[in-house]
Order: sequence, then C-alpha cells, then structure tokens
Amino acid sequence: QKEVEQDPGPLSVPEGAIVSLNCTYSNSAFQYFMWYRQYSRKGPELLMYTYSSGNKEDGRFTAQVDKSSKYISLFIRDSQPSDSATYLCAMSAMNQAGTALIFGKGTTLSVSS
Amino acid sequence: EPEVTQTPSHQVTQMGQEVILRCVPISNHLYFYWYRQILGQKVEFLVSFYNNEISEKSEIFDDQFSVERPDGSNFTLKIRSTKLEDSAMYFCASSNSGNTIYFGEGSWLTVV
Repeated sequence: QKEVEQDPGPLSVPEGAIVSLNCTYSNSAFQYFMWYRQYSRKGPELLMYTYSSGNKEDGRFTAQVDKSSKYISLFIRDSQPSDSATYLCAMSAMNQAGTALIFGKGTTLSVSS
Repeated sequence: EPEVTQTPSHQVTQMGQEVILRCVPISNHLYFYWYRQILGQKVEFLVSFYNNEISEKSEIFDDQFSVERPDGSNFTLKIRSTKLEDSAMYFCASSNSGNTIYFGEGSWLTVV
C-alpha cells in the first residue's frame, strides 16, 4: 500500500469553478499536512499548511484534514487560469526541521477561460 | 522575497561522471534539504542537513551521494558516478524551524 495516494488527473474545469483536490494516506502518525503548487519544470511552492484535523482558509484556498478517514482536501474557489498547475500534497509525522516530507504524486489542474 | 537559488538549471553528463549541484539557501535558514523528482514521479526526499551534519537521509541517498556546506552560503549535492537512473530534477530546499520548507527552482540532470 502506497503511503500517500493522489489522483493524478488531469482535472479540467472552467474559470470560476470550485475545485476539489484530494489525498489519502495510510500512516496514522502523519499530523502535519501541506499543499504545494508546482508549475511545469519549477520548484514546489508552499500554499497551505495544516496541523491535525480541521479546516484552514487562506483567500480562495481552503485546506481540510480528516484524520479519522486519513483524507485531506484542498478546495479552490473561483478558480482562475493562473491556478493551472500541479498540486502536490505532502505530510509528515513531526513538526521538526530536518524531517522528510512524504509527497503525493500530484494532481494536474487546468482552468480554462 | 527571499528564495532558494540553484545552479545549474540544467546539466547533461555522461554516465560515470561526477556531478555537483549547487544551492544557496535562504539566508537565515538553518536546515537544508535535497529532494529529487524523476519525470512523472513523486517528489522524493534525499537528505536533510543541519549544523554541518546529515540529520536524516533516505535509502536513495547511498554512498554515491554526498552533501557539503563548503562556505557560509552554499550547499552542494555531489553524485560521484552518475547512472542513467539518476536523471531527474533535483530540488534544494531550506527551512528555519519546523517542517515548513521552501524549495528552489530545481536543477534538471540528464545522464546520457
């Protein structure tokens, strides 16, 4: 069983749509969850960081963690063509610098105008 | 905004050659990392480095790999004898406290 699973897509939506991106994981020790955005041939850019279960909102982005289901989500409201990118979930068991992050494979999103 | 910078952006090397990838982490960060991403695959952790020592390394980071902080600003990844399967994008990253890490733009390594 893979540690972190993420549907690779591609996911195509029209501008203005609400987008839902998801990851599942198997390691119940994971407590820290991140979403990164990666444009083609570029480095991952941190979008959202959450700890344990619950929701966190930042502008058009909402991150949601359900530890009981081992399931995390990223919602994008009012999606824009500039949101077209690959979205990576990442997680770790400890909030300790130097700890490895475990990544999903990424979901490729395309927002058309 | 401070950023992690990496050089070269792209390098082509012959199999068996040594390669050094360079990074300048964010200036007040203390923890440094290398990750790699084979085309179409996940971003994978290689190694983390703190206080001139390796903090953690993955099983990918074998004896062919080494890291060094040769001076106060640079952080390097050396691959001693490159193999075809080392072809990947290599990302340097840095962090201060906690596990919020910031990535560079990557160095694309092609081994032929």
